[in-house]
Amino acid sequence: AAGVIQSPRHLIKEKRETATLKCYPIPRHDTVYWYQQGPGQDPQFLISFYEKMQSDKGSIPDRFSAQQFSDYHSELNMSSLELGDSALYFCASSSGLAGGDATDTQYFGPGTRLTVL
Amino acid sequence: AQSVAQPEDQVNVAEGNPLTVKCTYSVSGNPYLFWYVQYPNRGLQFLLKYITGDNLVKGSYGFEAEFNKSQTSFHLKKPSALVSDSALYFCAVRDLPSGSARQLTFGSGTQLTVLP
Repeated sequence: AAGVIQSPRHLIKEKRETATLKCYPIPRHDTVYWYQQGPGQDPQFLISFYEKMQSDKGSIPDRFSAQQFSDYHSELNMSSLELGDSALYFCASSSGLAGGDATDTQYFGPGTRLTVL
Repeated sequence: AQSVAQPEDQVNVAEGNPLTVKCTYSVSGNPYLFWYVQYPNRGLQFLLKYITGDNLVKGSYGFEAEFNKSQTSFHLKKPSALVSDSALYFCAVRDLPSGSARQLTFGSGTQLTVLP
């Protein structure tokens, strides 16, 4: 079965640079979530999109932005990178019903490991 | 605000023995509870979820979890552990307040080690 695809899998950047992470959800999934997992920590919710509109916002820094495109893939744009941004970034997708069905299961991609030097 | 607690950072169990990974939750509404497993350098893999109905939920790879509303717990169990079950396990919760919050709130994770 097709899974969530994330690219790149690994990314190394310098401080103050920018990075773009991409996520391709499972086919026919209309909702995308982004999570950040620091070393030895649990995943923290950043932002989500349902039908190309932002649906929820978590602890996402103002330096980060994201969007979901017409083909439902999503991109997380990170600017002015800091050392503390080094983490594993997960994308998850689900097939949500209109209005936000809380029961839909989120399926996670393999993650992008971002290292900021 | 919703929260999840996994009281044990580490659980060790001998292969063939039953295992339990504990999870307690706190939500304002009805809890939707999930278990995920993470292998080293891999993504989170869905194991099972509780939405409503039977308190005993069966999931992938022989895992099951018991929802206990009075104790606000959702412990993960397996009757006979395998060495390949060694991984990091996350409990997660999502409730449905008046807003649209569908994001998962994760526990801190429990490292399960199954000893041969």
